[in-house]
Amino acid sequence: KNQVEQSPQSLIILEGKNCTLQCNYTVSPFSNLRWYKQDTGRGPVSLTIMTFSENTKSNGRYTATLDADTKQSSLHITASQLSDSASYICVVSGPSGGGADGLTFGKGTHLIIQP
Amino acid sequence: GAGVSQSPSNKVTEKGKDVELRCDPISGHTALYWYRQSLGQGLEFLIYFQGNSAPDKSGLPSDRFSAERTGGSVSTLTIQRTQQEDSAVYLCASSSGGRSTGELFFGEGSRLTVL
Repeated sequence: KNQVEQSPQSLIILEGKNCTLQCNYTVSPFSNLRWYKQDTGRGPVSLTIMTFSENTKSNGRYTATLDADTKQSSLHITASQLSDSASYICVVSGPSGGGADGLTFGKGTHLIIQP
Repeated sequence: GAGVSQSPSNKVTEKGKDVELRCDPISGHTALYWYRQSLGQGLEFLIYFQGNSAPDKSGLPSDRFSAERTGGSVSTLTIQRTQQEDSAVYLCASSSGGRSTGELFFGEGSRLTVL
């Protein structure tokens, strides 16, 4: 069964520190991998979309990496800010993944930035 | 509008009542998705439209759930005879790309509470 596993489930760090969130998947074949940020009470917002040929993609202080061989991705947040407090969701896309949408969602990592 | 619009943003209803949730996608987006997000859980796929047709309705959790999309634009998700387990946030997303390839743009969600 196609799966997306995220770790840690939750994370608390101090403002200004860096952190890395992990995503392991078994979806095959693979089209792309996405990271979304979901603030409390809001809809998810796309951070990055990576195809299998991309190893690294940055969006401001967010940097996503992808290793298609080991089926692992990470999201690195640099110099965290209070506004980074949110859930971060990894989503893997593939023709046989998920439902008719072809997407398999992770349960997310809940990140809290403390002042 | 500039983004995906959902209404109502909050709905409180009594068990056994019917509810309608509306989604107005980004203009020109051909693909439209409905998801359900229960407290602390990941996104659960419900249904996907390409244009006005939904090729696969198997994601709908029961026959009390139905969805339609008219004119390739607005979509309505209807829940009949609501149950307490239907309480969740219902998220709509639209995309200009095909299934599993296009970036998803989410609305802010409709929070449903069934008493």
